[in-house]
Amino acid sequence: DVKVTQSSRYLVKRTGEKVFLECVQDMDHENMFWYRQDPGLGLRLIYFSYDVKMKEKGDIPEGYSVSREKKERFSLILESASTNQTSMYLCASSPGNAGAYEQYFGPGTRLTVT
Amino acid sequence: QQQVKQSPQSLIVQKGGISIINCAYENTAFDYFPWYQQFPGKGPALLIAIRPDVSEKKEGRFTISFNKSAKQFSLHIMDSQPGDSATYFCAAGYIRNAGNNRKLIWGLGTSLAVNP
Repeated sequence: DVKVTQSSRYLVKRTGEKVFLECVQDMDHENMFWYRQDPGLGLRLIYFSYDVKMKEKGDIPEGYSVSREKKERFSLILESASTNQTSMYLCASSPGNAGAYEQYFGPGTRLTVT
Repeated sequence: QQQVKQSPQSLIVQKGGISIINCAYENTAFDYFPWYQQFPGKGPALLIAIRPDVSEKKEGRFTISFNKSAKQFSLHIMDSQPGDSATYFCAAGYIRNAGNNRKLIWGLGTSLAVNP
């Protein structure tokens, strides 16, 4: 089975802190994604990566950055956390080409910024 | 248009009933239509998917109906069970111009509760 793991299930940070969310997948997938999920707003894509050291902005990249130094690991960085970044963060991965539509999600990290 | 409109936002069904969730889209470039299921405390997981050359796909109690001319697709859950209570997301996929990469556009989700 594909496994996508996220470093923390719950995280509480203070406003202004730098926050790192880590995601690791074990199926050698080319593609990795970061989403945030808020009630009534569905899944919103923050950033995605189709290859190592490659990143592209999603729909809501402001206030976030990402890093993909190794194929299996995709990190989301909040440079200076703000209260409006309190949310559930979901990481996903998918294989390349024809399989790329099938995204496998991690369990999520619920981040609270106080 | 890159939107996928999903309805209803929430749905309550009695055990044994049929749950129906609808999605509509505008972009005719979409070539893949999946449904994802998310249980509380978990990430979404692919439930069933269809390509636009097929009008219906069935997997157990779950069926996707696809109407290409109307640009609509729906998820039907037959004999709904309390264990089906979850949030359901539809999505539509397309191939981006560069590098043959594929992207999903998501509906906002439907919270389904199946009463025992």
